[in-house]
Amino acid sequence: GQNIDQPTEMTATEGAIVQINCTYQTSGFNGLFWYQQHAGEAPTFLSYNVLDGLEEKGRFSSFLSRSKGYSYLLLKELQMKDSASYLCAVRGNPGNTPLVFGKGTRLSVIA
Amino acid sequence: DVKVTQSSRYLVKRTGEKVFLECVQDMDHENMFWYRQDPGLGLRLIYFSYDVKMKEKGDIPEGYSVSREKKERFSLILESASTNQTSMYLCASSFPGAAYEQYFGPGTRLTVT
Repeated sequence: GQNIDQPTEMTATEGAIVQINCTYQTSGFNGLFWYQQHAGEAPTFLSYNVLDGLEEKGRFSSFLSRSKGYSYLLLKELQMKDSASYLCAVRGNPGNTPLVFGKGTRLSVIA
Repeated sequence: DVKVTQSSRYLVKRTGEKVFLECVQDMDHENMFWYRQDPGLGLRLIYFSYDVKMKEKGDIPEGYSVSREKKERFSLILESASTNQTSMYLCASSFPGAAYEQYFGPGTRLTVT
């Protein structure tokens, strides 16, 4: 079976840093994806990790530890437009299988 | 830019009606997917397809069927709509392979009354 856990909601202040955690238990692993979804819109791709370590992309970074089944998305210099849901998704085995999504973390950025 | 389009943003149907949701992608992707998204449940996979005329059941296929007659088009069919199929339906597509992300369409919010 596959299980992906992430917090339901988080609140952070404009200009601050926030870390959204994701833990997973899957049968096989071929990568972890983060998506952003604004209310009423489609999810859009943010990052992909398949090896341990940190991937940085502007204000957003994503970290993976395969041995711990753990990832986080780090958002720096928060802006009001970052208020959205953030979805963690895992690709299991074989490598071409569909993504399995967590339930998402709704982030509210306040002034 | 990858584009995934869905036939309707909003749809209202009656219980028992047959419903067709259409999805078209313009990036020559082999893989196409249908998910539904519900509050508190997240994105759940209904059906997917790796090629024309191929289909695979996802986690919640009951009450649904699919059709893929052309590479760019993937249709989701609700044979007899029920109120518990009221949901946001999201289509996605991707190239084959572990490293490729899935691109999503804008979604169809279906209400069954």
